[in-house]
Amino acid sequence: AQRVTQPEKLLSVFKGAPVELKCNYSYSGSPELFWYVQYSRQRLQLLLRHISRESIKGFTADLNKGETSFHLKKPFAQEEDSAMYYCALSALGNYQLIWGAGTKLIIKP
Amino acid sequence: DVKVTQSSRYLVKRTGEKVFLECVQDMDHENMFWYRQDPGLGLRLIYFSYDVKMKEKGDIPEGYSVSREKKERFSLILESASTNQTSMYLCASNPGLAGIEQYFGPGTRLTVT
Repeated sequence: AQRVTQPEKLLSVFKGAPVELKCNYSYSGSPELFWYVQYSRQRLQLLLRHISRESIKGFTADLNKGETSFHLKKPFAQEEDSAMYYCALSALGNYQLIWGAGTKLIIKP
Repeated sequence: DVKVTQSSRYLVKRTGEKVFLECVQDMDHENMFWYRQDPGLGLRLIYFSYDVKMKEKGDIPEGYSVSREKKERFSLILESASTNQTSMYLCASNPGLAGIEQYFGPGTRLTVT
C-alpha cells in the first residue's frame, strides 16, 4: 500500500539552527514527491517537488530511493519558517496525492 | 495566478442540517478535490472530480456527496451534518495530468453543534 509517514508531529528549533523534517514513503514504483507548507492563516501551497530539484526559501529535499525518504532540510532556520509542513506522494499515473500527517515546525527566537 | 475560492471561511451549522460548501477555480482545471484537514491526521480525500459530472470517492466519502455541474465549480454536500464532521475543509484543483501541483483554496472551518 502507498503510504507517507512524517514521524514528528511537532519540531521545535532555535532560529539559526539547522532544520530537518523527515518524510518516509512506501511505494513500489517511481514516485513524484512534494513538500507543501501552510503558514498561519494562509492557504496550503507547494513548497517544492523533487523533480524540479530547486531550493525554495532556503529549503532543499533529496529523494533517497534506497531509504525511501524525502527529508526537507534548511541549514539556518528563520522565524518565518514556522508553519505546518506536509509531505505528499503522487503515484505514477494517479491524480491523487497521498499525504503525510504533517509536521508543525516552530522556530524559537 | 491560479485562484481557488471557497464560499465561506467559517460556518456554524446544527446537527442534522444540510450543508453546502462551494469551491470555484478560475484556471480551467480538469481535476478538483475536497479534503478534510484534521490535526494529526493530515489531509484526507473525501471526493475528487476529473471532469464535469464525473466524480470518484476518496478515502472518507461516508456522509458526504458532491456535485460538479460546471467545470469551474465543485460543491461538497453534507446531507445531514453531524458533530464528527466538524473540521477544516479544503478544496483544491489541478490540470488533468498526474503528478502535477494541486492549488488550494483558503479552507472552510465548519463547526457542527
